[in-house]
Amino acid sequence: NAGVTQTPKFRVLKTGQSMTLLCAQDMNHEYMYWYRQDPGMGLRLIHYSVGEGTTAKGEVPDGYNVSRLKKQNFLLGLESAAPSQTSVYFCASSYANYEQYFGPGTRLTVT
Amino acid sequence: TQLLEQSPQFLSIQEGENLTVYCNSSSVFSSLQWYRQEPGEGPVLLVTVVTGGEVKKLKRLTFQFGDARKDSSLHITAAQPGDTGLYLCAGAPINFGNEKLTFGTGTRLTIIP
Repeated sequence: NAGVTQTPKFRVLKTGQSMTLLCAQDMNHEYMYWYRQDPGMGLRLIHYSVGEGTTAKGEVPDGYNVSRLKKQNFLLGLESAAPSQTSVYFCASSYANYEQYFGPGTRLTVT
Repeated sequence: TQLLEQSPQFLSIQEGENLTVYCNSSSVFSSLQWYRQEPGEGPVLLVTVVTGGEVKKLKRLTFQFGDARKDSSLHITAAQPGDTGLYLCAGAPINFGNEKLTFGTGTRLTIIP
């Protein structure tokens, strides 16, 4: 039982490049989330999903897209990376809207 | 956007001392959660409080939800080096469930052996 896993762990992008972050969970959770964590600002919700095939915007969705084609996977895409998207990205999942289980994070640097 | 302010931002104390960290907002929350995060890892849930005035104890950690459900505190008794970490509070808005948690800015705690 791996819980929540994130791929990759580290990535460096140049401005304008695109990439996809993959989150996978093996707990059969309905809800999944993407957050970013920046110094002094806590965790901010980017997008979330309450079930397979559904997505919704969080607090800071601009510049990101998501897809939930399979229940166990939640993908976060950056179409044209900007330096302001340098951050640590966390994925989480939960059974309904109860306790959230977080992955280990992806550290992204955009130069 | 509902804001949660945590204080202090940084705290460094000697092993064996007691401490309290605070989580304050002008907004009312339906529930409030406390997480601990260690370097290189994601946050891990410690406790959820849902009733105004509620007090929950987890070994040496005591959590309290304010009567008006706008604030919370975490008290640690006889701190140990293993308590070192980033402590985050997170509130669930009244009109939403935990799918729209608002996280606080965090308190970075260091316990000196």
